[in-house]
Amino acid sequence: AQTVTQSQPEMSVQEAETVTLSCTYDTSESDYYLFWYKQPPSRQMILVIRQEAYKQQNATENRFSVNFQKAAKSFSLKISDSQLGDAAMYFCAYRRWGNNDMRFGAGTRLTVKP
Amino acid sequence: GAGVSQSPSNKVTEKGKDVELRCDPISGHTALYWYRQSLGQGLEFLIYFQGNSAPDKSGLPSDRFSAERTGGSVSTLTIQRTQQEDSAVYLCASSFWTGGPYEQYFGPGTRLTVT
Repeated sequence: AQTVTQSQPEMSVQEAETVTLSCTYDTSESDYYLFWYKQPPSRQMILVIRQEAYKQQNATENRFSVNFQKAAKSFSLKISDSQLGDAAMYFCAYRRWGNNDMRFGAGTRLTVKP
Repeated sequence: GAGVSQSPSNKVTEKGKDVELRCDPISGHTALYWYRQSLGQGLEFLIYFQGNSAPDKSGLPSDRFSAERTGGSVSTLTIQRTQQEDSAVYLCASSFWTGGPYEQYFGPGTRLTVT
């Protein structure tokens, strides 16, 4: 069974600073996808960034980047130049190639201090 | 274009009543998912539809839960004889074929409160 673990229930960061959210996963598969989703108070889940396991290069999307360590089964999210609008719950998710469901971690609540 | 929509946005019901939650996926998305999110928790997979294939119901917590998808588009999640532990946000998501790196697009959810 694939499980996703987010060991930080809550994190806080000062505006304009950098924060890293941790995620580890357990799988015996070699072909899979990893995602970070953001859920603001509005409840709308929004994709932040994705990583395909066969790609060695870490994905980046503007201020968001990941540190994907396949051997360690680690997939952390780095948010640079944090903004007040980044405050939200962040969920790490795993999906095996061709599988039906996405496995989500329990989430990390990020607070951004002005 | 239009995103995933869900209705109602909030639903309050008495214990023992039946409820129906509706999801309109993005046009062209063949996969549709239902999740349950209890207060402050992560997402719990409930059921998955892919095209005309039989749905994957492996996440449904009890036989009081059922879902259907008509015409490969709109889906309805039905909870019979609601219990207080059913109180949660029910999220619907849709995506293209699961074989690729396609993300799921989520609706805003329905907050269900069972009194």
